Amino acid sequence: NAGVTQTPKFRVLKTGQSMTLLCAQDMNHEYMYWYRQDPGMGLRLIHYSVGEGTTAKGEVPDGYNVSRLKKQNFLLGLESAAPSQTSVYFCASRYGGANYGYTFGSGTRLTVV
Amino acid sequence: AQSVTQLGSHVSVSEGALVLLRCNYSSSVPPYLFWYVQYPNQGLQLLLKYTTGATLVKGINGFEAEFKKSETSFHLTKPSAHMSDAAEYFCAVSEDTGRRALTFGSGTRLQVQP
Repeated sequence: NAGVTQTPKFRVLKTGQSMTLLCAQDMNHEYMYWYRQDPGMGLRLIHYSVGEGTTAKGEVPDGYNVSRLKKQNFLLGLESAAPSQTSVYFCASRYGGANYGYTFGSGTRLTVV
Repeated sequence: AQSVTQLGSHVSVSEGALVLLRCNYSSSVPPYLFWYVQYPNQGLQLLLKYTTGATLVKGINGFEAEFKKSETSFHLTKPSAHMSDAAEYFCAVSEDTGRRALTFGSGTRLQVQP
């Protein structure tokens, strides 16, 4: 099925470990986004990309890095995980216009101990 | 800068009762407005959106929302709640700027009592 696929779905990290979350979409969308979801705070934008080879910071970028080497993939990296990064991470993509909604992935639940 | 306020982090209704979830937005330009639903342990699914034109927007599962520019509101309603409507609902606003990102409210958890 067409859509946004996130891997892994669950992960437990120790403080200081690194990991990469992968987001893949097969809809040829230009725009891709990484959000984190925390109780009572809604979804907050970490990083985004408006096209292949471009990335930019969102509202809460500290501690994260991203790359978009291929149009269909958007990677989120944690270089040195901290307990404050325990969250559910969602990737989303959209077609070009701002009047289009997002297509979301199913999320990655990350726990940092 | 754009922002969204959802009044009430938890709303409880009886099955068959009216559902009203409140959303107010702030935007410096004409906004695009969205409602998303999230069922437990799932991603977010688009319920409906307002872009231009008719201010009363109908979505999936019997939900609708009305854009009121004078009140900067986009409240979500459903005439008769069903047990399957229990979920978390997010209002979001988008501006036609470079990044075209959605800004989300903090969410409202809807509980439906039998």
